[in-house]
Amino acid sequence: EVQLLESGGGLVQPGGSLRLTCAASGFTFNNYAMSWVRQTPGKGLEWVSAISGGGGSTYYADSVKGRFTISRDNSKNTLYLQMNSLRAEDTAVYSCAKTFRSGSYSPFDYWGQGTLVTVSS
Amino acid sequence: DIQMTQSPSSLSASVGDRVTITCRASQSISSYLNWYQQKPGKAPKLLIYAASSLQSGVPSRFSGSGSGTEFSLTISSLQLEDFATYYCQQSYSTHITFGQGTRLEIK
Repeated sequence: EVQLLESGGGLVQPGGSLRLTCAASGFTFNNYAMSWVRQTPGKGLEWVSAISGGGGSTYYADSVKGRFTISRDNSKNTLYLQMNSLRAEDTAVYSCAKTFRSGSYSPFDYWGQGTLVTVSS
Repeated sequence: DIQMTQSPSSLSASVGDRVTITCRASQSISSYLNWYQQKPGKAPKLLIYAASSLQSGVPSRFSGSGSGTEFSLTISSLQLEDFATYYCQQSYSTHITFGQGTRLEIK
């Protein structure tokens, strides 16, 4: 059974940093690209970042480029999102998502339940 | 980035109704269009991929169509469990974008 479990969210002041972790199990992790997607409470879905299965290619939404860094450790079946220079508008539930097919970046067939990031003074 | 626009933003319908939600892309995305269903407090669920392919385990009352810039999701006969929010998403670009969502409510 595929499982994705996020952790690392919390309350942080504007300008601060957090690192999110997504622990994956139930599939061959290094065969699949992974993404982070965020959702503001009561609002819609926003893709944040993606990384290829091997980790050599990364992509970012314009809203986070230069501030967030996605990475993965395939030996630990773990995905990361390092978030720096956080802003109030980064407040959201952050979920990791597995790509449906090896070699593509979407759609997503499995999602974690998410971890809440709150940026506030 | 490719902009995805869904209509309507919300919709009231009754059990047994036939419902169609549309999604328009700001440029041609061929058939790289996916549909998700999300219920409160739950992760999104993939319903349709590549515009018209039904994900395994999804009831056949869900169908998708379209190509280029115009797409639609149709539920042929609404069931109680279908009342949820629906999102389209393009996978043409590595900069993935979602529609703003369509909230389907019980009339």
